[in-house]
Amino acid sequence: DSGVTQTPKHLITATGQRVTLRCSPRSGDLSVYWYQQSLDQGLQFLIQYYNGEERAKGNILERFSAQQFPDLHSELNLSSLELGDSALYFCASSVGGGDQPQHFGDGTRLSIL
Amino acid sequence: GQQVMQIPQYQHVQEGEDFTTYCNSSTTLSNIQWYKQRPGGHPVFLIQLVKSGEVKKQKRLTFQFGEAKKNSSLHITATQTTDVGTYFCAGLSGTYKYIFGTGTRLKVLA
Repeated sequence: DSGVTQTPKHLITATGQRVTLRCSPRSGDLSVYWYQQSLDQGLQFLIQYYNGEERAKGNILERFSAQQFPDLHSELNLSSLELGDSALYFCASSVGGGDQPQHFGDGTRLSIL
Repeated sequence: GQQVMQIPQYQHVQEGEDFTTYCNSSTTLSNIQWYKQRPGGHPVFLIQLVKSGEVKKQKRLTFQFGEAKKNSSLHITATQTTDVGTYFCAGLSGTYKYIFGTGTRLKVLA
């Protein structure tokens, strides 16, 4: 158990819809990272937050947005969903940022029908 | 943009054989991390290398960071069935952004 909690574990929805994925970091961790992993693919970095502020941005689509709240949990919002958005979305957390090990949650599997 | 490639993409070995995966970045890295993802699981942190030419060992696993800090390798001696999974390197680009490699999927045949 990494200590990172992601909900829901599975999400099935239709094209054009909007969903919110939630992540609670390990106790004491200030950084949250979001990654997308498509079937048999690598991990695509989406975005990182540190203590409520956006710190780094990767290949995140404009249809996607995220935020980190004062209690340090984070949400990833995906809108106008397309079939190609079907993937496993991981959240990871670390104590600080940049040179710290990342601890991953179990992921949310998103299926777009 | 910056890329981190890993080779090979897949590797099948007989139990007891050695295994090596290589990680190559198009730019110099601040540090590099290695993760292991078991089938159906999430990535788990293995190790971090920071210094040019650094070598670290964890039991049967040996990690190296290249002199130019653009490449790295992970070597497993005498593989076991518990080594099955996908191994990812992750290079730190700039201060905060990690670029994950494409991964090497290892299968160990008993």
